[in-house]
Amino acid sequence: DTGVSQDPRHKITKRGQNVTFRCDPISEHNRLYWYRQTLGQGPEFLTYFQNEAQLEKSRLLSDRFSAERPKGSFSTLEIQRTEQGDSAMYLCASSSTDTEAFFGQGTRLTVV
Amino acid sequence: GQNIDQPTEMTATEGAIVQINCTYQTSGFNGLFWYQQHAGEAPTFLSYNVLDGLEEKGRFSSFLSRSKGYSYLLLKELQMKDSASYLCAGEGLAGGGNKLTFGTGTQLKVEL
Repeated sequence: DTGVSQDPRHKITKRGQNVTFRCDPISEHNRLYWYRQTLGQGPEFLTYFQNEAQLEKSRLLSDRFSAERPKGSFSTLEIQRTEQGDSAMYLCASSSTDTEAFFGQGTRLTVV
Repeated sequence: GQNIDQPTEMTATEGAIVQINCTYQTSGFNGLFWYQQHAGEAPTFLSYNVLDGLEEKGRFSSFLSRSKGYSYLLLKELQMKDSASYLCAGEGLAGGGNKLTFGTGTQLKVEL
């Protein structure tokens, strides 16, 4: 399978705990995006990488959220001190200069 | 976000034609995407318009008017499997570079 893969698919955590999600993009794609989606809404942009450089970060993103793409391949999104409002589907997408964005299946986070 | 506006719900009959409209604020606009998203699944790419006019792809067509900040997705010969959320997304809106700004999605229900 050469699509975008995300791990885990589901995560349930207690409020206040830290969580980390992983995204493996399509191998030849240099652009990687993280989005968050809640029920009945469209995906909301969180952050964007070109290769290993984080080029843009949403102003809505609190400092509890951090993302990395250390070698320009896979990426991780960490949420520290989770809150119930962080419960959502976290989507990763990748693209190249000449292609549309391809989305992964997402990681569904539930904070209890 | 407020840059993209589309209806939240539509209902249509199997075999019919349905048009889903999308309007956007034109500042910084690069292009317009349509994605389909079934419940619990990743968004999948349908179409991309950067120039004015109609792009046809099988049962699906997409139209763009850059001067009016308007697009629509046209679905012909509707099938039950077309029941899904249809996401309109603008590239480059509000100075967003390569990231996509999504609307809330239009939930289409196809009935017998």
